Amino acid sequence: SAVISQKPSRDICQRGTSLTIQCQVDSQVTMMFWYRQQPGQSLTLIATANQGSEATYESGFVIDKFPISRPNLTFSTLTVSNMSPEDSSIYLCSVRSGGAGDNEQFFGPGTRLTVL
Amino acid sequence: KQEVTQIPAALSVPEGENLVLNCSFTDSAIYNLQWFRQDPGKGLTSLLLIQSSQREQTSGRLNASLDKSSGRSTLYIAASQPGDSATYLCAVRRVFGNEKLTFGTGTRLTIIP
Repeated sequence: SAVISQKPSRDICQRGTSLTIQCQVDSQVTMMFWYRQQPGQSLTLIATANQGSEATYESGFVIDKFPISRPNLTFSTLTVSNMSPEDSSIYLCSVRSGGAGDNEQFFGPGTRLTVL
Repeated sequence: KQEVTQIPAALSVPEGENLVLNCSFTDSAIYNLQWFRQDPGKGLTSLLLIQSSQREQTSGRLNASLDKSSGRSTLYIAASQPGDSATYLCAVRRVFGNEKLTFGTGTRLTIIP
């Protein structure tokens, strides 16, 4: 299994500002994923981040709003830019075990964001 | 497009009872299915992973089954405890590779002491 940590665990931000969320994994992984979970909803994939290449964004999500960095195989950041109250969500980092194994997916503890 | 549904949306049972949570998916061409639990305001904890070639997986008091042809999976929890109270999510992955997980809507489980 993979152990994933996220910073910050929660934050309250003002409209129009930006927040960068950090994700650290205890092992090297090829693929990292960023999800959003809006209040009372299930998880929605924002983007897939591979080391050494541009992140791949899902429909409805754009790089200007959610820029992602992936500088190495154990770390990634997601920035939520120009925030509005609609961005209030839990943001979750996730990784998938690689190789020829079962490809189980693991999640971090999440960052709870409230935008006023 | 894959759609994943979990019924019921919420379930309350007395402590000690056995219970079953249901997950159905529309496209049977899946690579694997994973069950997670989520405590309020927290991240997801992986419970069980079932490959498409498997019929079931067991971990402690948990047993997950998969019937790919009918597009169904169940999560059986034996001798429920108050600590089992959480939201349970199932997620399916279509093909090996970069295919993303598609999540169900979740079942919020409450175990009554």
